[in-house]
Amino acid sequence: AQKITQTQPGMFVQEKEAVTLDCTYDTSDQSYGLFWYKQPSSGEMIFLIYQGSYDEQNATEGRYSLNFQKARKSANLVISASQLGDSAMYFCATNTQISSGSARQLTFGSGTQLTVLP
Amino acid sequence: NAGVTQTPKFQVLKTGQSMTLQCAQDMNHNSMYWYRQDPGMGLRLIYYSASEGTTDKGEVPNGYNVSRLNKREFSLRLESAAPSQTSVYFCASSEGVSVYSNQPQHFGDGTRLSIL
Repeated sequence: AQKITQTQPGMFVQEKEAVTLDCTYDTSDQSYGLFWYKQPSSGEMIFLIYQGSYDEQNATEGRYSLNFQKARKSANLVISASQLGDSAMYFCATNTQISSGSARQLTFGSGTQLTVLP
Repeated sequence: NAGVTQTPKFQVLKTGQSMTLQCAQDMNHNSMYWYRQDPGMGLRLIYYSASEGTTDKGEVPNGYNVSRLNKREFSLRLESAAPSQTSVYFCASSEGVSVYSNQPQHFGDGTRLSIL
């Protein structure tokens, strides 16, 4: 079974600094995707960034980058130049098959609450 | 761009009542999903629909039914609501020809449901 571990329940970062949110995963799948979502206090789930397991380069999307270390099964999110609007809950997720031949579902970690300080 | 639209946004029910949560997407996605989110937890999959006309159970399907009405719409029904179903419900959809791809899922804004 898939398992996603986010060991940091809460993180603080000073505005304009970079922050790394940790994520480790456990999978026996050969092909999988890793995702990060942002959930602000308003509650919506916002897709941030995606990394495929066969992608050799780390994914980047604007100020977001994914530090993917396949051998260590980690997929940390790096946010550069933090902004006050980055304060939110961040979820790491992986896309796994429910059973052989079935659809893939997202399995989520428990999340990290990021607070950006002015 | 509407993306994924869920209705209602809030609902309070009494134990035993029934209701249907509606979801529609305008991105021409083949696959749609229903999740629930409980405090301190990530999302858990209730049901999904790989394509129009098909539905399958996810991790926590008990107490729910779904209907994939057409390619755009995927509804979730609680036949006899229980307090344990108090949660925030999210609908999502994904692009690609099937759910076997690693395409990201795009979420609606959620429905906050309380069962008294």
